[in-house]
Amino acid sequence: AQTVTQSQPEMSVQEAETVTLSCTYDTSESDYYLFWYKQPPSRQMILVIRQEAYKQQNATENRFSVNFQKAAKSFSLKISDSQLGDAAMYFCAYREAGNMLTFGGGTRLMVKP
Amino acid sequence: NAGVTQTPKFQVLKTGQSMTLQCAQDMNHEYMSWYRQDPGMGLRLIHYSVGAGITDQGEVPNGYNVSRSTTEDFPLRLLSAAPSQTSVYFCASSYQPPGTSLEQFFGPGTRLTVL
Repeated sequence: AQTVTQSQPEMSVQEAETVTLSCTYDTSESDYYLFWYKQPPSRQMILVIRQEAYKQQNATENRFSVNFQKAAKSFSLKISDSQLGDAAMYFCAYREAGNMLTFGGGTRLMVKP
Repeated sequence: NAGVTQTPKFQVLKTGQSMTLQCAQDMNHEYMSWYRQDPGMGLRLIHYSVGAGITDQGEVPNGYNVSRSTTEDFPLRLLSAAPSQTSVYFCASSYQPPGTSLEQFFGPGTRLTVL
């Protein structure tokens, strides 16, 4: 079974600074997809960014970008110019074609004003 | 579109009681799934369905039943509630044309407490 590991239970960043959340995964597949989800206090799961494993270029969405290292099975999320609204739980997730998501344990991000 | 809806938002049960968590989506998605979220463990898959009439077990299926009689609805049944089933439950759905990134859309969650 695939596993997804987020080694940082909590992270803190100063407003306007940059923070990187780590994620590693274990798989023997070559075709898969990776996601970062944000869960604010409202509990709603919000997709932040996605990465297809066959793409070498790292995905970016405005202030959010990833560092995808396929050989190392690493998928970190960088948040630039952090805002108070970025405070939330962040979940890394893995999915093979046709299979459901496997989630990491989550990282709680706190943003200090 | 309402997206993915879940009812109820909160529920308290006594040990041994049964109940059904409702999930519906109006996006004509083939895939639907149920997850439970526990502190420090992320979301774990309970059951999923790849289409009407087809269901399968996920990582933690014991104590739960599902059925998929229509594309829109995917109820989760707790047969005899136990305190270990205290959790937040999320329903999700996705449309899966070939070669896509398979984004899942999540409902707002149901917080269940079993006493």
